[in-house]
Amino acid sequence: GAGVSQSPSNKVTEKGKDVELRCDPISGHTALYWYRQSLGQGLEFLIYFQGNSAPDKSGLPSDRFSAERTGGSVSTLTIQRTQQEDSAVYLCASNPRLAGEETQYFGPGTRLLVL
Amino acid sequence: AQSVTQLGSHVSVSEGALVLLRCNYSSSVPPYLFWYVQYPNQGLQLLLKYTSAATLVKGINGFEAEFKKSETSFHLTKPSAHMRDAAEYFCAVSSQAGTALIFGKGTTLSVSS
Repeated sequence: GAGVSQSPSNKVTEKGKDVELRCDPISGHTALYWYRQSLGQGLEFLIYFQGNSAPDKSGLPSDRFSAERTGGSVSTLTIQRTQQEDSAVYLCASNPRLAGEETQYFGPGTRLLVL
Repeated sequence: AQSVTQLGSHVSVSEGALVLLRCNYSSSVPPYLFWYVQYPNQGLQLLLKYTSAATLVKGINGFEAEFKKSETSFHLTKPSAHMRDAAEYFCAVSSQAGTALIFGKGTTLSVSS
């Protein structure tokens, strides 16, 4: 079946602009995660959605970052007033949260460059 | 708090040689441990995982890893490297099934002919 998809694949923006990154999880997966991959910091957890529960936002680096998940499916990560240090690859993953299924399935990522 | 340390940011081997990528973890609870591989400009692909069943875990592409609680290690091995194994490898830990993963810094594997 279809895997996790992310759009756009690449995004170039100017410092100070807002950007939205989209993630379509695997159909039926109730858990959705955002991670950031940058040269200096490696792979960092950002936010985690599980069903209708309140999201775990503990990894968001600042209040410029927010995310929502509509209808328990598609998620959008928004970065307001982008800074050059936001340049990174943003990865989305999903998981069915079934007993015995611990694997997170990753999308190809969105490569963000802030000029 | 959990953490993962991958020893060696870059490992180089010859084709046909043994591959050994090291991972040590810190966790206050029995961990779930994972190895992911990332090929250039692609997302992460699961190689194998440990979830408290057998301590020797076999994964895809001939890789395997052994969970050693006494050493808090989960090293990744492959008996004979192929050129196509050249990629970046990440070790990760989580405290509960489905919760956020904590990743190591990654190890880039180069394979020469």
